[in-house]
Amino acid sequence: RKEVEQDPGPFNVPEGATVAFNCTYSNSASQSFFWYRQDCRKEPKLLMSVYSSGNEDGRFTAQLNRASQYISLLIRDSKLSDSATYLCVVNKRGSQGNLIFGKGTKLSVKP
Amino acid sequence: GAVVSQHPSWVICKSGTSVKIECRSLDFQATTMFWYRQFPKQSLMLMATSNEGSKATYEQGVEKDKFLINHASLTLSTLTVTSAHPEDSSFYICSRGGQDPTDTQYFGPGTRLTVL
Repeated sequence: RKEVEQDPGPFNVPEGATVAFNCTYSNSASQSFFWYRQDCRKEPKLLMSVYSSGNEDGRFTAQLNRASQYISLLIRDSKLSDSATYLCVVNKRGSQGNLIFGKGTKLSVKP
Repeated sequence: GAVVSQHPSWVICKSGTSVKIECRSLDFQATTMFWYRQFPKQSLMLMATSNEGSKATYEQGVEKDKFLINHASLTLSTLTVTSAHPEDSSFYICSRGGQDPTDTQYFGPGTRLTVL
């Protein structure tokens, strides 16, 4: 089983749609969780950290279920500029160097 | 603004040559920096952890003699791909962490290496 697994995608949605991404991780000792976005041929950029209580940042909501080892990202009212690949990232042992990246889910928002 | 810079942003070289990539932490003295590699349509994979003033720590399967890492100052880490071959063509990205061990990492803009 891969350490971090994501929906394979791609997700093609119209503007204004709500889209949800799912991610599971295999290491129960993982301590920190993040969603990054990566534009084509660019470096990943942090979108948001994910907390057990759930957290929201504007149109983006992230949820973490430690018992199920499951992370989600919800994007509401999607914009054309949301088109990117969304990476689920897990910090393996609480030390910064052990970020494990999922392969990413590509989102394409169409007019 | 950017907190990590990389140079060059892209490089094309002939097989057998060595390529040096620089990674600078612009706003923070980083005792530890990280080097990743990303092949097309693949995940970012950690290659090594660069430690200021000491040897780098390499991930399993990464050849330390091929990927030389030097972290001579608190703001600069370099990765040298020695005797590059076409299979080394990839997107190389460095990063640094924050002050808290649970912080995420801040990535440089990446270097796209193409070996002919």
